Amino acid sequence: EVQLVESGGGLVQPGGSLRLSCVVSGFTFSDYEMNWVRQAPGKGLEWVSYISSSGTTIYYADSLQGRFTISRDSAENSLYLQMNSLRAEDTAIYYCASHKWGAGFAYWGQGTLVTVSS
Amino acid sequence: DIQMTQSPSSLSASVGDRVTITCRASQSISKYLNWYQQKPGTAPKLLIYAASSLQGGVPSRFSGSGSGTDFTLTISTLQPEDFATYYCQQTFSKSRTFGQGTKVEIK
Repeated sequence: EVQLVESGGGLVQPGGSLRLSCVVSGFTFSDYEMNWVRQAPGKGLEWVSYISSSGTTIYYADSLQGRFTISRDSAENSLYLQMNSLRAEDTAIYYCASHKWGAGFAYWGQGTLVTVSS
Repeated sequence: DIQMTQSPSSLSASVGDRVTITCRASQSISKYLNWYQQKPGTAPKLLIYAASSLQGGVPSRFSGSGSGTDFTLTISTLQPEDFATYYCQQTFSKSRTFGQGTKVEIK
């Protein structure tokens, strides 16, 4: 059974940092591209970041302005998102999602809620 | 960034209706277009990838078409479990943008 389990969300003050994790099982992690997608309360989906299966290619949404860093660890079957200089507008559910090259985001986690507030 | 515009933003329909949702890209994206369904409190579910390929396990009443800038998701015969929000997404560019969503509600 394919599982993606996010963790690391919570309440953080503006300007603070959080590190999200996504542990995967049920498929060969090193064969899949990985992404982070977020959804602010009551809003639509916003793609955040992408990392290739090898980890050598990385993309970010322009709106992040260099504050987030995506990484992966094949030994741990894990995806990470380091989020710095957090703002109120970063408040959202953060999902990890995986796909084979050229295909849609087939596998999703359940999401982890990040709340940025003083 | 490539902008994805869905229409309508919401629609009301009855069980058994044929439903069509449109997605337009701000520039050509070939067939790099996916469709997702999301129900409240759950993660999105992939329905269609590469504009017209049905994801495994998805009912055949869902279909996708289009290429270039104009794409369509069709639900041939709306079922009670299809009331949800639908999103298109392009994966042509580095920034994998989503449309704003189309909410399908019960009439």
